[in-house]
Amino acid sequence: DGGITQSPKYLFRKEGQNVTLSCEQNLNHDAMYWYRQDPGQGLRLIYYSQIVNDFQKGDIAEGYSVSREKKESFPLTVTSAQKNPTAFYLCASNPTPPGLPRANVLTFGAGSRLTVL
Amino acid sequence: AQSVTQPDIHITVSEGASLELRCNYSYGATPYLFWYVQSPGQGLQLLLKYFSGDTLVQGIKGFEAEFKRSQSSFNLRKPSVHWSDAAEYFCAVGGYGGSQGNLIFGKGTKLSVKP
Repeated sequence: DGGITQSPKYLFRKEGQNVTLSCEQNLNHDAMYWYRQDPGQGLRLIYYSQIVNDFQKGDIAEGYSVSREKKESFPLTVTSAQKNPTAFYLCASNPTPPGLPRANVLTFGAGSRLTVL
Repeated sequence: AQSVTQPDIHITVSEGASLELRCNYSYGATPYLFWYVQSPGQGLQLLLKYFSGDTLVQGIKGFEAEFKRSQSSFNLRKPSVHWSDAAEYFCAVGGYGGSQGNLIFGKGTKLSVKP
């Protein structure tokens, strides 16, 4: 079945370490997104990419980095510069080019929970 | 600035009772509106969406929502709640600018279902 695979499901990090969260999709979707979810705060956009080798900052990009070398993959690195990285991270994708309403309809992965020790 | 407000943080209903989850938005143009559901520790699943046309939209799992432009609302309803509906529900608005997919989410309403 097609879908989005996020790994690892749970990740623990010591302060000062960089960690990378994986997001792989086999839906042949062009656009991919990373959201951060904190309890009682909804979802906030970190980065998004509408095409390979291109990505844009979202609302809370500071302390994060991404790459989009392949259509199927959009890894997120949480760097030591992110002051409060403990959160639930969600990857999403969409097949539609910008300009159409359906470009807003997202398919989500199951998420990765990062805890800083 | 665009925003989405879900006034109720937590709602408890009895199984079989009706449900209405409230959502209000602030947006400068005709919005695209969404309801997503999230089970604990899982990703989000799309329940329904509104782009244009009929203001009453049907979704999966027996949910429906009504777009009321005059009230800037998009409330989610279900006539009879099942125990499996216990989850967190998020309203979202999108469609602005060229960054489609950059949805603005409400903070969520957690639904508990009493037997």
